[in-house]
Amino acid sequence: AQKITQTQPGMFVQEKEAVTLDCTYDTSDQSYGLFWYKQPSSGEMIFLIYQGSYDEQNATEGRYSLNFQKARKSANLVISASQLGDSAMYFCAMREGTGGGNKLTFGTGTQLKVEL
Amino acid sequence: DVKVTQSSRYLVKRTGEKVFLECVQDMDHENMFWYRQDPGLGLRLIYFSYDVKMKEKGDIPEGYSVSREKKERFSLILESASTNQTSMYLCASSSPGHYSNQPQHFGDGTRLSIL
Repeated sequence: AQKITQTQPGMFVQEKEAVTLDCTYDTSDQSYGLFWYKQPSSGEMIFLIYQGSYDEQNATEGRYSLNFQKARKSANLVISASQLGDSAMYFCAMREGTGGGNKLTFGTGTQLKVEL
Repeated sequence: DVKVTQSSRYLVKRTGEKVFLECVQDMDHENMFWYRQDPGLGLRLIYFSYDVKMKEKGDIPEGYSVSREKKERFSLILESASTNQTSMYLCASSSPGHYSNQPQHFGDGTRLSIL
């Protein structure tokens, strides 16, 4: 079974609207962390936001927020007031509690296109 | 800011060649990682290292090896390059700790073509 599932290969959103990118995960660990990264067409991976499994509040970083629903094992990224520069590939990733080295497992990504 | 530098943005090699991809980080991070990225497959972990001279296999180590002789440098080696190793290769580093909230910091990637 996939550990990280991103079911939306591509998404379109109008500029200034909000958009939600879906991410579900599968783990039996009690302690884990969830990360979102942005990858523009230039290729670099940009860290956006982190949510720990024990965090009681949903993480927020500027226009990015994480809708964390632990019981449903989902960690959706919400981008408010979309901008043209938000057009990129977005990856959800999970660090599981067991094992060393802060390994991450990545989803297959969602390509977001922001339109005028 | 953390800087992870990969030696080449684009690289073209021939089948059977031994290929070295170099990665250097400047933040004294213990952990370093090599991924490959292919369309529709996301990022897949090839190898990682949590200390000098230490290495562990990731999910797809076949056909690759790594070297970490110094803390700041992590090299990926394709022993005998094949066309199915044409891909984007990404290096990353992070702070230590099993339960860390510290993200991995990535280099700009190397787009490798094997002809």
